[in-house]
Amino acid sequence: NAGVTQTPKFRILKIGQSMTLQCTQDMNHNYMYWYRQDPGMGLKLIYYSVGAGITDKGEVPNGYNVSRSTTEDFPLRLELAAPSQTSVYFCASSYGDRGSYGYTFGSGTRLTVV
Amino acid sequence: KNEVEQSPQNLTAQEGEFITINCSYSVGISALHWLQQHPGGGIVSLFMLSSGKKKHGRLIATINIQEKHSSLHITASHPRDSAVYICAVGRGAQKLVFGQGTRLTINP
Repeated sequence: NAGVTQTPKFRILKIGQSMTLQCTQDMNHNYMYWYRQDPGMGLKLIYYSVGAGITDKGEVPNGYNVSRSTTEDFPLRLELAAPSQTSVYFCASSYGDRGSYGYTFGSGTRLTVV
Repeated sequence: KNEVEQSPQNLTAQEGEFITINCSYSVGISALHWLQQHPGGGIVSLFMLSSGKKKHGRLIATINIQEKHSSLHITASHPRDSAVYICAVGRGAQKLVFGQGTRLTINP
């Protein structure tokens, strides 16, 4: 039972480069999320999805894009990396609405933009 | 002012002590979550609650909806409990708003 799988675990990017952070869950959860965690700060929501084909912006969406073509996968795309995107990124999933069910988090991706 | 405030920000205690971490929030919520994050590690969901009290092993979580306040208690604390404990509140579409976390260190 893998839960939420994120890849890669670590990555160093140069300014202006692009990359995709992968996220896959095998629990048939309909809700999926991308959060970033900056040092000393609480996690901030980047994008979320309530089901395949449906995505929406969170608090800090600028510089990112997402897609949700299947229930299982929710990749996060950085098009032109900037130093401000240096952070730890967490993918998460949940099932149901009204906060009825708990969250499952991936192990995180530590991204450094230089 | 943050929507979710945790106190204390840092807490150091001796093994065996009773630990309390507090969380106050200022908005309407669907549920409140307590999460645990070990250094360099992922995030684990400890509790999700919308009323009353939940217990799992040595961990107890309570919530008072009227006062918009929750507490996480650890009984008989152990060095392996050392971690960052995060309070988060659920909003629409189950989006979470997070507190800054409480860094707990338990010394042997």
